[in-house]
Amino acid sequence: NAGVTQTPKFQVLKTGQSMTLQCAQDMNHNSMYWYRQDPGMGLRLIYYSASEGTTDKGEVPNGYNVSRLNKREFSLRLESAAPSQTSVYFCASSDGNQPQHFGDGTRLSIL
Amino acid sequence: GENVEQHPSTLSVQEGDSAVIKCTYSDSASNYFPWYKQELGKRPQLIIDIRSNVGEKKDQRIAVTLNKTAKHFSLHITETQPEDSAVYFCAASFSGGYNKLIFGAGTRLAVHP
Repeated sequence: NAGVTQTPKFQVLKTGQSMTLQCAQDMNHNSMYWYRQDPGMGLRLIYYSASEGTTDKGEVPNGYNVSRLNKREFSLRLESAAPSQTSVYFCASSDGNQPQHFGDGTRLSIL
Repeated sequence: GENVEQHPSTLSVQEGDSAVIKCTYSDSASNYFPWYKQELGKRPQLIIDIRSNVGEKKDQRIAVTLNKTAKHFSLHITETQPEDSAVYFCAASFSGGYNKLIFGAGTRLAVHP
């Protein structure tokens, strides 16, 4: 049972490039989330999907798009990467009123 | 907008001492308050959570207290051990649901042998 799996683990991009971060969960959870974590700022919610077919903005959605491909998969896309998007990105999932479970993160650097 | 403030940002204790981390939140509709521990380079992992209908919850050396009137909650770790060294994050749900969490900025706890 892998839980929440994120790919890739590391990525370096140039300013203006695009990229999709992948997330998959095998716990049959309805809800999935994308966060970014910057030093000294904790985790900030970018987008979330309460159930398959729905997505909603979080605290910091600008510059990102998401797709809830099916119940298992929730992807995050950077259309035109900017240095301010250098961060560690975490995907999480949960069900009902149960705690969120996090993946191992994607460390993204934009030059 | 919604906000969670966490104090202190760093905390240093001797092994065996107690550690207390405090958080305040702004959304009166918040009803779920988890605490996560994050070791260096690892994922955040839930250590304890509390819901708004409960004032205190304990799990071995860890306890959380909630004061809804004052809109603050605290994490208490007793008999600290070196393996408790990590960054701890509090969070609060907002907009009355469980799906959206606002996180505090984190507390870096160092437990010295």
